[in-house]
Amino acid sequence: AQSVAQPEDQVNVAEGNPLTVKCTYSVSGNPYLFWYVQYPNRGLQFLLKYITGDNLVKGSYGFEAEFNKSQTSFHLKKPSALVSDSALYFCAVRDNNYGQNFVFGPGTRLSVLP
Amino acid sequence: GAGVSQSPSNKVTEKGKDVELRCDPISGHTALYWYRQSLGQGLEFLIYFQGNSAPDKSGLPSDRFSAERTGGSVSTLTIQRTQQEDSAVYLCASSLPPGELFFGEGSRLTVL
Repeated sequence: AQSVAQPEDQVNVAEGNPLTVKCTYSVSGNPYLFWYVQYPNRGLQFLLKYITGDNLVKGSYGFEAEFNKSQTSFHLKKPSALVSDSALYFCAVRDNNYGQNFVFGPGTRLSVLP
Repeated sequence: GAGVSQSPSNKVTEKGKDVELRCDPISGHTALYWYRQSLGQGLEFLIYFQGNSAPDKSGLPSDRFSAERTGGSVSTLTIQRTQQEDSAVYLCASSLPPGELFFGEGSRLTVL
């Protein structure tokens, strides 16, 4: 069965510093990996995805993520955090051997301090 | 429409009443999902529709919950005899496989 772990409930970072939000996954087939962001009282917004190809994926708002097959990780990164990046971040995986079911991680709350 | 549309955005009901939540997916998207989210927590999968295939209902928490998708487009999630523990935000998403999910803004349900 697919699973996603986000080991940190909360990440705090100072504005202007680099940020990392961690995600590890488990699938039996080849993973399709996704990051979403949720602002208060809003739905989830798509940030970026890895399907195939380059391990480093660039997405919206200056975010990027690196697919690491050996470590089964897909950490979200940004070189310089903004206060407006403060939100709830979800990692998700879909196993291409098991149809269309997306599995979401529990979420990581990012706080960027001015 | 341009995005996934959900209605109502807020619903307050009394315990024991039935509620219907509507989702209008992005035109052309064949896959439609319902999730439940409690107070800024994680997402709980409820049900998944793909084209004309039988829906995956494995996430529905009880037989009080049901959903249908008419004509491969609009979906309605029905909760019968609502309980206070049903209070949550119900999120709908659609996709064109194998692409990403596009989410609506959610329907916030409060059961008094």
